[in-house]
Amino acid sequence: SQQGEEDPQALSIQEGENATMNCSYKTSINNLQWYRQNSGRGLVHLILIRSNEREKHSGRLRVTLDTSKKSSSLLITASRAADTASYFCATDEGSNYKLTFGKGTLLTVNP
Amino acid sequence: ETGVTQTPRHLVMGMTNKKSLKCEQHLGHNAMYWYKQSAKKPLELMFVYSLEERVENNSVPSRFSPECPNSSHLFLHLHTLQPEDSALYLCASSQSTSGAETQYFGPGTRLLVL
Repeated sequence: SQQGEEDPQALSIQEGENATMNCSYKTSINNLQWYRQNSGRGLVHLILIRSNEREKHSGRLRVTLDTSKKSSSLLITASRAADTASYFCATDEGSNYKLTFGKGTLLTVNP
Repeated sequence: ETGVTQTPRHLVMGMTNKKSLKCEQHLGHNAMYWYKQSAKKPLELMFVYSLEERVENNSVPSRFSPECPNSSHLFLHLHTLQPEDSALYLCASSQSTSGAETQYFGPGTRLLVL
């Protein structure tokens, strides 16, 4: 099964609204990361949350992690048109070095 | 900019061509990665190098051949590709291959195989 499945696949909101994206995974993890990708570009790391953390903030970003439900959410507050991008969660697979990415959520923020 | 550069940014090649993708990282990292990103599919890890040694070859066809001459440079040599190999190829680096490390991505090479 695919680790790091994001939900929804696509999200369209108005500028100023909050955007929430979810990620589910299937096996135990040491950490979960969120990345952002502008169209046709490379991924940019946003935030990393460790398995013993429940919530983390970075600017307008808030990430939560619920290891009992094997899920994470990324909240972007007061969204801007420049936040339009695809957002991916990525999980490690325990003791090895792989990051496994989901298919991502395409966020469109309309001005 | 993330400190990882890739060239070329766009590449069109025929199935009989031989070409190479180049990646360079200016971050002093010890691990480098090649990923393939196809439309509507998750990012696929292709190769991992740690201190210039290949530590992962994720069942990639032999028509893709990686080379890591030093810890700052990574190449992906392409030959006899198929149209289904058309994709965005992303290079990334990290301090080590620990799963806890942040990976820094280049802008990618958009490859079209005709």
